[in-house]
Amino acid sequence: SQQGEEDPQALSIQEGENATMNCSYKTSINNLQWYRQNSGRGLVHLILIRSNEREKHSGRLRVTLDTSKKSSSLLITASRAADTASYFCATAGFLGETSGSRLTFGEGTQLTVNP
Amino acid sequence: KAGVTQTPRYLIKTRGQQVTLSCSPISGHRSVSWYQQTPGQGLQFLFEYFSETQRNKGNFPGRFSGRQFSNSRSEMNVSTLELGDSALYLCASSQSGLAPETQYFGPGTRLLVL
Repeated sequence: SQQGEEDPQALSIQEGENATMNCSYKTSINNLQWYRQNSGRGLVHLILIRSNEREKHSGRLRVTLDTSKKSSSLLITASRAADTASYFCATAGFLGETSGSRLTFGEGTQLTVNP
Repeated sequence: KAGVTQTPRYLIKTRGQQVTLSCSPISGHRSVSWYQQTPGQGLQFLFEYFSETQRNKGNFPGRFSGRQFSNSRSEMNVSTLELGDSALYLCASSQSGLAPETQYFGPGTRLLVL
């Protein structure tokens, strides 16, 4: 079963615009990670944010985490056509010290960036 | 460093057959996890291996099994294939599998069961 939901399910924007995707989850977490997937291929890791962090940046990516609301958002600024992909959030919980490998994924947001 | 590799990339099998998929982790990584991705169920955790031992297991039937070798390479096996096993199978590796740690994914094996 999925940990939570991602919103929106699909997003279509023009190149140069910003894209914001949201993720909600249900249980306490150790960390939350965002991944990108192009056309059913492997997942590319984008960023990891720990439960005690509120915001993190990496290049054009900005991730926020609100553990009180059990939600996270991914912002991609100045989007490019190459950003077209599915974006997934994944959480790692507190199931004991070996839990780090067990990621629970959201349903994903399909982002289309039009040139 | 080379990334996570998976073989084969594509497979076509018929119902009732069995299949073995292989995953080579990033050099130095000792934890290997497997995930199944389908349009209906999304990405679901199958199991994780560390030091040749299964350490975590998801909610899949016993037809799904795996193993890990001393060089950290891992295989997963699906016996008595069903149509619903058609999916993209992804493996991921990390250094220890302990949170917080980034999981690095391979390109996946796409399995089609006819």
